[in-house]
Amino acid sequence: SQTIHQWPATLVQPVGSPLSLECTVEGTSNPNLYWYRQAAGRGLQLLFYSVGIGQISSEVPQNLSASRPQDRQFILSSKKLLLSDSGFYLCAWSSRTGGYNSPLHFGNGTRLTVT
Amino acid sequence: GNSVTQMEGPVTLSEEAFLTINCTYTATGYPSLFWYVQYPGEGLQLLLKATKADDKGSNKGFEATYRKETTSFHLEKGSVQVSDSAVYFCALSGGGAQKLVFGQGTRLTINP
Repeated sequence: SQTIHQWPATLVQPVGSPLSLECTVEGTSNPNLYWYRQAAGRGLQLLFYSVGIGQISSEVPQNLSASRPQDRQFILSSKKLLLSDSGFYLCAWSSRTGGYNSPLHFGNGTRLTVT
Repeated sequence: GNSVTQMEGPVTLSEEAFLTINCTYTATGYPSLFWYVQYPGEGLQLLLKATKADDKGSNKGFEATYRKETTSFHLEKGSVQVSDSAVYFCALSGGGAQKLVFGQGTRLTINP
């Protein structure tokens, strides 16, 4: 069966420090991968998605970047965190074969607090 | 562009009450529609989905019918339990790579 791992679960970082959040998927090949952010009391905002190694699409301009160095690995990074980067970050994958009918499968999230 | 609007929360009900969480959407083409549930401190889990007009998705006693004429996908459950307390998200598929557009979420609290 497919599983998705996301870490760390919680993170407290000072303003101006770098960030690296990692997400890996097991049990499937060539997944679509996604990073979402959920700000406190708000819905989910799609940050990045990827359809293949090295292929990253950014949905909103921001202080963050994403990379996909391997087929089932997706990394969210920042060189210098801002207070506004605080939130709950969710990695997700979907199968390419089902098209629009394929649901997203989410990791358990990383709660990031920038102080 | 595509968008999803959910009823504002929070919603508080007593156990065994009837639940409706409204969801309406705007989309081009024929999107698939989803309900996700997020339990405290966790990621989102798919609750149910519907892929074409008049389809009814159902799971764990929850139901939602894809109504193209009213562009709605309301979530219902006949008798809620304390364990149903969570945040519920309506979403639609749109764009390439199965990008989901989410509503803002509705927090549901069920009191015993």
